[in-house]
Amino acid sequence: DQQVKQNSPSLSVQEGRISILNCDYTNSMFDYFLWYKKYPAEGPTFLISISSIKDKNEDGRFTVFLNKSAKHLSLHIVPSQPGDSAVYFCAASANFGNEKLTFGTGTRLTIIP
Amino acid sequence: DAGITQSPRHKVTETGTPVTLRCHQTENHRYMYWYRQDPGHGLRLIHYSYGVKDTDKGEVSDGYSVSRSKTEDFLLTLESATSSQTSVYFCAISESSPKSGGAGKTQYFGPGTRLLVL
Repeated sequence: DQQVKQNSPSLSVQEGRISILNCDYTNSMFDYFLWYKKYPAEGPTFLISISSIKDKNEDGRFTVFLNKSAKHLSLHIVPSQPGDSAVYFCAASANFGNEKLTFGTGTRLTIIP
Repeated sequence: DAGITQSPRHKVTETGTPVTLRCHQTENHRYMYWYRQDPGHGLRLIHYSYGVKDTDKGEVSDGYSVSRSKTEDFLLTLESATSSQTSVYFCAISESSPKSGGAGKTQYFGPGTRLLVL
């Protein structure tokens, strides 16, 4: 039972354009959501998170949107840069991160120069 | 940088042998986690610890045991390695993050251990 789903295994975007990565969840107890970026042979790096009390959180080029009614969140990267090429994982937790994280299967983003 | 190191970084072993992976942290975090990453599965929680000698199982704990005798070290042991345990193993700690949109704890990961069981 996949409680966190990333339905796009891969995504290619032209440099300078917007990258949009999507994530859906099924567990209504989840109230804290995170995005991680992973390069080959490295550990996942925390990018940005959002709690259910908000519907948007922004940090530089990265913005996460949360639609609680649709149980959907998305990560927007604007503008996309070659260094953004990586695998992106969505994760969710209950109790504002005090419970275990459940991860999606990841989306491989490739930025085309 | 959450001050997490993992050792070894790479290991090749044979089926049936015991293997211990070590996670070391320098910042006195209470919570520590072990995950495995496999293609098509994302990261899956094996075991976690919420204090010295306090551990609990995650979703894929069969075949693994853990120990935490001091705050800074969290050990993952494969008692008798099998080929299905070939994977990349990540350790993590959790702490509050200033980049969260509201209250929330964030997990930070170590560099990983790549394990091959032949």
